[in-house]
Amino acid sequence: GESVGLHLPTLSVQEGDNSIINCAYSNSASDYFIWYKQESGKGPQFIIDIRSNMDKRQGQRVTVLLNKTVKHLSLQIAATQPGDSAVYFCAENENFNKFYFGSGTKLNVKP
Amino acid sequence: DAGITQSPRHKVTETGTPVTLRCHQTENHRYMYWYRQDPGHGLRLIHYSYGVKDTDKGEVSDGYSVSRSKTEDFLLTLESATSSQTSVYFCAISTGGEAFFGQGTRLTVV
Repeated sequence: GESVGLHLPTLSVQEGDNSIINCAYSNSASDYFIWYKQESGKGPQFIIDIRSNMDKRQGQRVTVLLNKTVKHLSLQIAATQPGDSAVYFCAENENFNKFYFGSGTKLNVKP
Repeated sequence: DAGITQSPRHKVTETGTPVTLRCHQTENHRYMYWYRQDPGHGLRLIHYSYGVKDTDKGEVSDGYSVSRSKTEDFLLTLESATSSQTSVYFCAISTGGEAFFGQGTRLTVV
């Protein structure tokens, strides 16, 4: 299968600071990427997506950056809040077919 | 949860018994997926479907089979459950873009 991984398994940030979660992928043919948030005991929830013809996309307090040259994806969360504490996954997809997920990064927000 | 229902939500079964998990959607989405989630492995694709009676294997399909006889239902069967199949199973649906996930089924094989 595809290799989608995360550099940091756990990230601790202070409430109000910005968070950056990174992800590396190996399939250069992947053309669609998604970030998911998973809270304890729940299924993953969509946060933001980006297609390969873009290098940046912004949502509400979140920004995804895509660097196809080095096959790297990042999720930036502005003014991190306690409710942002969760596990974050990146996922890649080729031709709207199968999604492959990374192993996840746990985000801890300290009050 | 985007009209996705997984059943059962929890199940304990014995080694060697068959188990079927059900995913039901009310969104009429074309694509349906079964993933398993284990510590240190994230979400791994077991099988997926791109239409009624059209299915394909994912990265960890051994020991599992699926069926999709109707658009709204995608069944995952463990023919003979093993302890290594103890996991949390997630169903997801998609129209080809973002995937929406169910709440998960926690399966324990003893």
